Amino acid sequence: DQQVKQNSPSLSVQEGRISILNCDYTNSMFDYFLWYKKYPAEGPTFLISISSIKDKNEDGRFTVFLNKSAKHLSLHIVPSQPGDSAVYFCAASATQGAQKLVFGQGTRLTINP
Amino acid sequence: AAGVIQSPRHLIKEKRETATLKCYPIPRHDTVYWYQQGPGQDPQFLISFYEKMQSDKGSIPDRFSAQQFSDYHSELNMSSLELGDSALYFCASSLGDRGPRGYTFGSGTRLTVV
Repeated sequence: DQQVKQNSPSLSVQEGRISILNCDYTNSMFDYFLWYKKYPAEGPTFLISISSIKDKNEDGRFTVFLNKSAKHLSLHIVPSQPGDSAVYFCAASATQGAQKLVFGQGTRLTINP
Repeated sequence: AAGVIQSPRHLIKEKRETATLKCYPIPRHDTVYWYQQGPGQDPQFLISFYEKMQSDKGSIPDRFSAQQFSDYHSELNMSSLELGDSALYFCASSLGDRGPRGYTFGSGTRLTVV
C-alpha cells in the first residue's frame, strides 16, 4: 500500500524553464511534507518542507504547494539549472505518533542545457 | 559541520552470512532512524531509536536487530542474509523533539548479498 505516490518516474526539462514535480498521498494523518534531493551514492538531502497549515512555502528557486483537499503537493523549481538534475523524493510524516518518514518512489529530474 | 557517518560505505556478503552496519549521528542528536532502499525502490523505514530506546518499528525482518548505544551511535545487525537484502541502507539522525524537520541523512551503506 503506497501511501505516498510520485507517478512520474522521470522528467526532462530545458534549462531555464520551470520543473514541476508532483506527489500524491492517501493518509489524511500526514501533516508535514518534505522534498529531498538525492544524487547517486549519496544520502537524501533536505530541500524544502511544508506544514499542513500552509498551502505554499517558498525558498529561493524552490516552491512547494500543498492542496490538502486533493491530497496533492508539488515542487516547483524555477529557473531550472543543470545542477538540479537528481532524483527527487517526496516524503510525509504525521506529528502524532512516530516521526518516521514515508517516501514516494522518486522522480528522476534531468535538466537539459 | 559534522554530518551523519555511516560505515562501511560498501559491503559484500554471501547468503546466510551476518552483517553489521554502523551509524554515527550528528553530535547532540539523540534520535536515529534506519531506512532500506532496494534497487529502484523508495526508502522504507526500518526502525528508530530515541535516547537509546526503540521508538518505532517499521518493516524490519525478524532476522534484523538494532540498538543505540550510550554514545548515541547505532548498529544494525543483519543475520541469515538473503539476496533480497541487497540494498542501500540509510541512517538519519535528529534531535528528538524536532522530528523529520531536523532529519539529516548519512551517505548510506550499500550492501550486496551474493
